[in-house]
Amino acid sequence: ELKVEQNPLFLSMQEGKNYTIYCNYSTTSDRLYWYRQDPGKSLESLFVLLSNGAVKQEGRLMASLDTKARLSTLHITAAVHDLSATYFCAVDMTGGGADGLTFGKGTHLIIQP
Amino acid sequence: DAGVIQSPRHEVTEMGQEVTLRCKPISGHNSLFWYRQTMMRGLELLIYFNNNVPIDDSGMPEDRFSAKMPNASFSTLKIQPSEPRDSAVYFCASSDRGLETQYFGPGTRLLVL
Repeated sequence: ELKVEQNPLFLSMQEGKNYTIYCNYSTTSDRLYWYRQDPGKSLESLFVLLSNGAVKQEGRLMASLDTKARLSTLHITAAVHDLSATYFCAVDMTGGGADGLTFGKGTHLIIQP
Repeated sequence: DAGVIQSPRHEVTEMGQEVTLRCKPISGHNSLFWYRQTMMRGLELLIYFNNNVPIDDSGMPEDRFSAKMPNASFSTLKIQPSEPRDSAVYFCASSDRGLETQYFGPGTRLLVL
């Protein structure tokens, strides 16, 4: 059974600080997704990482993938309040891109002014 | 592009009643996924279709749940009879197989009394 573990599950930080969310998964996969969810809303796609060593950046968020370590990170640089949300990582069960996703429990991020 | 469309957005029903959730995927997408989100269990894959064919329904919790995709632009998830423990947010997502991330609909908030 594929398992996806995120940590931390809850993070409170101040604006301007940097932090990293970690996502470990239990099976070989070359495809990892990061999503954002605001309270009461749907999931918004942030990044799709498709190969070992992949790095993608959008604004203050940067995601990377190490398939050998089965680890992905989501790094937040100089956090701002608008980034407060729950962040999920998810793994494609077979790595083929056409299969259902297994999600981590999510990291609830609060950024305080 | 209207994105993934789900209806109804909210549903309140009584235990024992039949519930039908509807989804229209993004035009041209050939994979469709049904997920359920609860506080206790997080995001779970229920079933998914490729080219209208069910591929994996191992996540469907019980025989009370069934899903169909009669054509490329419509899918239903039915619960009969419904129970209070079915209360959750049900998301439909679609993707262009193998190339892109999964795009989530707004979800249906189901409350079974």
